[in-house]
Amino acid sequence: GNSVTQMEGPVTLSEEAFLTINCTYTATGYPSLFWYVQYPGEGLQLLLKATKADDKGSNKGFEATYRKETTSFHLEKGSVQVSDSAVYFCALRRTGTASKLTFGTGTRLQVTL
Amino acid sequence: GAVVSQHPSWVICKSGTSVKIECRSLDFQATTMFWYRQFPKQSLMLMATSNEGSKATYEQGVEKDKFLINHASLTLSTLTVTSAHPEDSSFYICSARPDSVDTEAFFGQGTRLTVV
Repeated sequence: GNSVTQMEGPVTLSEEAFLTINCTYTATGYPSLFWYVQYPGEGLQLLLKATKADDKGSNKGFEATYRKETTSFHLEKGSVQVSDSAVYFCALRRTGTASKLTFGTGTRLQVTL
Repeated sequence: GAVVSQHPSWVICKSGTSVKIECRSLDFQATTMFWYRQFPKQSLMLMATSNEGSKATYEQGVEKDKFLINHASLTLSTLTVTSAHPEDSSFYICSARPDSVDTEAFFGQGTRLTVV
C-alpha cells in the first residue's frame, strides 16, 4: 500500500537557520507529492507540490524535489523565520484517485529568535 | 481564496451522546468532500469520501453506522459521531475540492472532539 514517512519532530531552529524536513514514500506507479502546512489554529494549506520525477515544487522560499530514485521529497528552506513555525505534512496522491491523499505524521517546526 | 469552514472548532461531549460536525465550502461548490481523522502524533487518516446526493464511501475499518456522513448540498457535508465514546476523541478535518476549477482540495481548520 501507499505510505509516507517523515522525520519526527519537533524541530527547533533559530531564525535564519537552514531547514530540512525529510520525507520518503512508498507507492505504486507515479504519485503526486505534496507538502502541506498547518499554522496554529488553522486548517491545512497546500505549500507546494510536484507531479512527476525531478520536478521541483517551490513556494514562500520552501523547496522540495521529487526524487524517484530515492523515493524522497525533502522540504528545504534556506533561512527560516519565526512565522514559519507550524506543523508540516508530507503527502502523496496516486495518479487517478482524485483527491485521496496519504499523509505522513507531520513535523512540528519551532523557530526562535 | 477558496475557504472551507468547519464548525465547531472544538467540542466536548458526554459518552453516549452524538456530535455533529459541519464542513462548508464558502465560495465554491464541491460535489466531493473528504473526512479525515488525526490521532495524536499520527498522520491524518482518510475516513470517508462524501458525495453530494449519494452515499458516502467509507475506508476500510471505519464504521459507517458510527460515523454518519450527510452531503445534502454542494456546499455542506456533515459528520455525526453517534453514541460517542472516549476512544472517539480525536481531531477531525474535512477537505473539499472545487468542482469548477482544476485545483487541489482545500482543508477546513479541523474540529477537536473530546468525549468524557
